[in-house]
Amino acid sequence: DAGITQSPRHKVTETGTPVTLRCHQTENHRYMYWYRQDPGHGLRLIHYSYGVKDTDKGEVSDGYSVSRSKTEDFLLTLESATSSQTSVYFCAISEWGGRGAAKNIQYFGAGTRLSVL
Amino acid sequence: GQQLNQSPQSMFIQEGEDVSMNCTSSSIFNTWLWYKQDPGEGPVLLIALYKAGELTSNGRLTAQFGITRKDSFLNISASIPSDVGIYFCAGRGSQGNLIFGKGTKLSVKP
Repeated sequence: DAGITQSPRHKVTETGTPVTLRCHQTENHRYMYWYRQDPGHGLRLIHYSYGVKDTDKGEVSDGYSVSRSKTEDFLLTLESATSSQTSVYFCAISEWGGRGAAKNIQYFGAGTRLSVL
Repeated sequence: GQQLNQSPQSMFIQEGEDVSMNCTSSSIFNTWLWYKQDPGEGPVLLIALYKAGELTSNGRLTAQFGITRKDSFLNISASIPSDVGIYFCAGRGSQGNLIFGKGTKLSVKP
């Protein structure tokens, strides 16, 4: 998994509770991403980071926030979890990113399976 | 926004058969990537393509970057049981982020 650790790997929580997922990398890559994967939708980008304290929204960012206080850690927070946020969440990293980067190859973690009851 | 159409959605293979799948878009992409995902795991990069017309192989896998830059193809020759899984194409969009297809699920014929 290219030096990427996601925690926890599985979580069950109740509607309305806050949830934080963690992604930790040992590659010192600048870019980090959070995706969700749902049947029939493939992988959809939630938020991404292009450096410490530098983040931006993706395609499906509503209901999610992120923080990156260190190069190696990227946190995804669901402030008040809803059943529609039941999904598998993947973290990815890349050394390059942005419009000018032809070699924007992303490497993925093993995922976190989240169930919101 | 930019979208990718990946086909087929699913297919059944018999050991030894060749497999083909493709991704198309109405938008131009500058990079095409192919990933494979096994159950309970994250996607793993198989092949990366950077130039229109480029043909790249990785063992029994061959992928091509379409000349129009709006499509890409992945072929698997002489399939084996461990080829089963979900294959995703991804294109680098105009904002630099990757756009993913919805996947092609490969299963073994009963």
